[in-house]
Amino acid sequence: EAQVTQNPRYLITVTGKKLTVTCSQNMNHEYMSWYRQDPGLGLRQIYYSMNVEVTDKGDVPEGYKVSRKEKRNFPLILESPSPNQTSLYFCASSPRPGSSYEQYFGPGTRLTVT
Amino acid sequence: RKEVEQDPGPFNVPEGATVAFNCTYSNSASQSFFWYRQDCRKEPKLLMSVYSSGNEDGRFTAQLNRASQYISLLIRDSKLSDSATYLCVVNPGYNFNKFYFGSGTKLNVKP
Repeated sequence: EAQVTQNPRYLITVTGKKLTVTCSQNMNHEYMSWYRQDPGLGLRQIYYSMNVEVTDKGDVPEGYKVSRKEKRNFPLILESPSPNQTSLYFCASSPRPGSSYEQYFGPGTRLTVT
Repeated sequence: RKEVEQDPGPFNVPEGATVAFNCTYSNSASQSFFWYRQDCRKEPKLLMSVYSSGNEDGRFTAQLNRASQYISLLIRDSKLSDSATYLCVVNPGYNFNKFYFGSGTKLNVKP
């Protein structure tokens, strides 16, 4: 089944404890992206990747890192999480870079930082 | 000013009703436009792309008005299963890999 998977789905952690949220897609998509969703603000783009080893900042990259060492994986790293990073996170992929393609979303990761 | 703005609703309509949502965007150079549907904090799923000439998919019609910088979504003959939050998504044009999402319009279809 073609899909985007994220792990973990739920995470409660403490301020400053490094964490990684994994994202994997099995559709051979070139483009991948991370978003966070907060009430009243909609989804905001954190980082995106056009292909292996090619990443760029979205609108809210502060406090996050990403890497794209393999085509299928695009992990999101929070080196020192803070409470303002409590949010619902979605990973998405699409076949190619470029604005006209549908994005396929993972099921989301609900992160709470205390 | 936000890149993309939507009326949060909720829009409460009876089954069978016709309902329309608008979404305004701030960047006149915006290139691509989409409507996504999101059920109760689950992942968004593409409902339809919005083309310059307007497009229809069954009960759903999307329109683009570049002069006034808004897109619209019309749902005819609403079903209970249409209850969801509808997200407007815009690519700003200056970067084809960036996307701006509206905060969504909630639709409740009542029996």
